[in-house]
Amino acid sequence: QVQLVQSGSELKKPGASVKVSCKASGYTFTNYAVNWVRQAPGQGLEWVGRINTNTGNPTYAQGFTGRFVFSLDTSVSTAYLQISSLKAEDTAVYYCAREDCSSASCYMDVWGQGTSVTVSS
Amino acid sequence: EIVMTQSPATLSVSPGERATLSCRASQSVSSHLAWYQQKPGQAPRLLICDASTRATGIPARFSGSGSGTEFTLTISSLQSEDFAVYYCQQYNNWPRGYTFGQGTKLEIK
Repeated sequence: QVQLVQSGSELKKPGASVKVSCKASGYTFTNYAVNWVRQAPGQGLEWVGRINTNTGNPTYAQGFTGRFVFSLDTSVSTAYLQISSLKAEDTAVYYCAREDCSSASCYMDVWGQGTSVTVSS
Repeated sequence: EIVMTQSPATLSVSPGERATLSCRASQSVSSHLAWYQQKPGQAPRLLICDASTRATGIPARFSGSGSGTEFTLTISSLQSEDFAVYYCQQYNNWPRGYTFGQGTKLEIK
């Protein structure tokens, strides 16, 4: 079945880096972009950005440029989110989600289970 | 940047009753709107796309309506499993991106 499986929880110190993986299965990876969404504790959903899995072209939301980097390894159908110079306010659950643009619009139809990133000294 | 505003923040409804959730966009998003359901400790789940099209496997009691700046998610007869947080999301073609509403928590009355 179509699914996205993310890497496990991370506990990092301020200033460190973290790399979250999102492995796709059950569909052709390069046919669908991957989006990243952040959810801080007790808060709503916030779009981080997306990566075109065919071209590798990333798009970052406002406020997520510089320290946030998307990458791919298409040989293993996996997308990555790397966050550098971690701050306490980066503490959140990060979700990857497949983007479907088969209709008049685009939306996120398949989601990973989420990866908790905690930044604490 | 388009701002999505959901109301109310919390909605208390009894099982079996109808729930109506609202989402307003700061400017027209045409029908580029989706609704998601999120239960505690779980990832969001797509319910509605293109403002009114149910996603695969979503029960018929969920319906979406609206276009432009005003949108509604209606759950016709609430089941116990429907109590959750609901988010609306708009899609922008250029610059390509998404914006979520702040969410409506649907709780048992």
